[in-house]
Amino acid sequence: DQQVKQNSPSLSVQEGRISILNCDYTNSMFDYFLWYKKYPAEGPTFLISISSIKDKNEDGRFTVFLNKSAKHLSLHIVPSQPGDSAVYFCAALIVNNAGNMLTFGGGTRLMVKP
Amino acid sequence: SQTIHQWPATLVQPVGSPLSLECTVEGTSNPNLYWYRQAAGRGLQLLFYSVGIGQISSEVPQNLSASRPQDRQFILSSKKLLLSDSGFYLCAWSQGSSQPQHFGDGTRLSIL
Repeated sequence: DQQVKQNSPSLSVQEGRISILNCDYTNSMFDYFLWYKKYPAEGPTFLISISSIKDKNEDGRFTVFLNKSAKHLSLHIVPSQPGDSAVYFCAALIVNNAGNMLTFGGGTRLMVKP
Repeated sequence: SQTIHQWPATLVQPVGSPLSLECTVEGTSNPNLYWYRQAAGRGLQLLFYSVGIGQISSEVPQNLSASRPQDRQFILSSKKLLLSDSGFYLCAWSQGSSQPQHFGDGTRLSIL
């Protein structure tokens, strides 16, 4: 059972426009949600996170929105740049004493066209 | 600052051969350590995690094992590789239960 889902495998956006990446989850016990960016043949890079008690977190061009009632979060990138082209993973975290295990979505490939 | 190193970057091994992938973290102490695998076209699957020396937890039954002989060293091993072990293996660390995990650059493992 996939607890974290990214239903769009790919997204194409024009440079300068907004990119919206979506993520849905099923487990209401998640404490934090994170977005990672991954280039080919590299490890994922942490972008931004949001606590489950918040509904918005902003960092520069990146904003994450959380809708707990819908069990949905999204990452907005404004304005989009060609260097943003990568695979974006949504991840969810339950905080416990056994270590913070992340559950990842399947990823969305973002292509920003010049 | 903290850094994480994984090696080798790429590895080609025959079926039935052993495996040892190493991961080390610098600039921090007592990190949580993780091994993930990304199969082609799929998301990241947690294989093992460790909250301390000699403490290993496995998330999925498989042909692989992990060890943590030192505080900042995490090793992924297999005695006999299978074709299905091919993939991209990633090591990660985090400090504390609510902190993000930070990933190494990964090892591309191809089994022939």
